[in-house]
Amino acid sequence: GAGVSQSPSNKVTEKGKDVELRCDPISGHTALYWYRQSLGQGLEFLIYFQGNSAPDKSGLPSDRFSAERTGGSVSTLTIQRTQQEDSAVYLCASSLFDTAGPSSYNEQFFGPGTRLTVL
Amino acid sequence: KQEVTQIPAALSVPEGENLVLNCSFTDSAIYNLQWFRQDPGKGLTSLLLIQSSQREQTSGRLNASLDKSSGRSTLYIAASQPGDSATYLCAPERGGGADGLTFGKGTHLIIQP
Repeated sequence: GAGVSQSPSNKVTEKGKDVELRCDPISGHTALYWYRQSLGQGLEFLIYFQGNSAPDKSGLPSDRFSAERTGGSVSTLTIQRTQQEDSAVYLCASSLFDTAGPSSYNEQFFGPGTRLTVL
Repeated sequence: KQEVTQIPAALSVPEGENLVLNCSFTDSAIYNLQWFRQDPGKGLTSLLLIQSSQREQTSGRLNASLDKSSGRSTLYIAASQPGDSATYLCAPERGGGADGLTFGKGTHLIIQP
């Protein structure tokens, strides 16, 4: 597709359940980012992938959060044993940024987000 | 840790006015600064990216400037229209990719027809 897509667009789950959020980046984009937008915290960065590798996972809010990327394309963000404070909009972005390249240019393009509600 | 402040937090003006949105950041060691708009219930739309070696970028009625040493960026909107109503976010980036973007809380803009 032309842009970043995310699924599902909305997810309502019960406290304690696991959820999986999916991101399809723009074709050819090597870098992929996950962010979270909540009323209290604003927009916060969670994790970055260059290809299939995430060099730093310290931005993930807790050990209940994990993320992976396969084939240098699709990424999934998994939240185990969801809590009410996990309720937020989860946004994914991608870019052409390549650490091996000569330029620092890194325009990120965002998907529409997944709105997660934990009851 | 980078902190980003956007002023004003909200702005409501009649259409046709020229506007200036302000962004300040505490860590001037940035590579890029990106401006976005966000419509209610939507994702972010990239408006402009300024690299640290640049002082300004223009796209249509939008002009963004960057003063990296003083930690400031401004977004100028010329001849505002009701369709410009949205929340505007600025986001500096340190570079290297791993830090991601740091966002301000945004300026909520309403253009009255």
